Amino acid sequence: GENVEQHPSTLSVQEGDSAVIKCTYSDSASNYFPWYKQELGKRPQLIIDIRSNVGEKKDQRIAVTLNKTAKHFSLHITETQPEDSAVYFCAASIQAGTALIFGKGTTLSVSS
Amino acid sequence: SAVISQKPSRDICQRGTSLTIQCQVDSQVTMMFWYRQQPGQSLTLIATANQGSEATYESGFVIDKFPISRPNLTFSTLTVSNMSPEDSSIYLCSVELVALTGAGYTFGSGTRLTVV
Repeated sequence: GENVEQHPSTLSVQEGDSAVIKCTYSDSASNYFPWYKQELGKRPQLIIDIRSNVGEKKDQRIAVTLNKTAKHFSLHITETQPEDSAVYFCAASIQAGTALIFGKGTTLSVSS
Repeated sequence: SAVISQKPSRDICQRGTSLTIQCQVDSQVTMMFWYRQQPGQSLTLIATANQGSEATYESGFVIDKFPISRPNLTFSTLTVSNMSPEDSSIYLCSVELVALTGAGYTFGSGTRLTVV
């Protein structure tokens, strides 16, 4: 089955810096790659996603890139703010209607 | 977008007992997914629940321990049976909002289970 690896496990940046989190997946059939933000005590919230027919997607300060050949995708957060501090999870699914498989998460800390 | 109601939000249970968690979606969905999130860990898929058929369990999870019901297209339950302290976790249900249209997967608010 699908396996998703995520790095780094923790990331500390200064406010205003950029943050990059990387994930690799094992199943070349995977075609949907979302990123979730989870604040303490809350449910995961979708922040951005990308499908395998797209190489990059942006939404204000966040962007996701996908390299299908290398089977990896990355989350980029620019101009980080303290409220970006949270745990971020990448995930992958093989097709619509199948479950997401999650990476182990990255704890992002943004200090002001 | 679909709203998922999950209950109870938290419970403290005695070992050896069972707890049933309910998940209600405000629109019809084909698949519902149940996850476990142990303290400080990622989300691990327990099973996929398809209406009208038995749930499909992931490796390490069995029906006797985690029976699932899916009586219709908007509702599912997960039971954690014969609980031990190792079952203390957050349990979350999830649905894909609209298959094929990229609307994404959303989660219930979670059930925080503590077994004593």
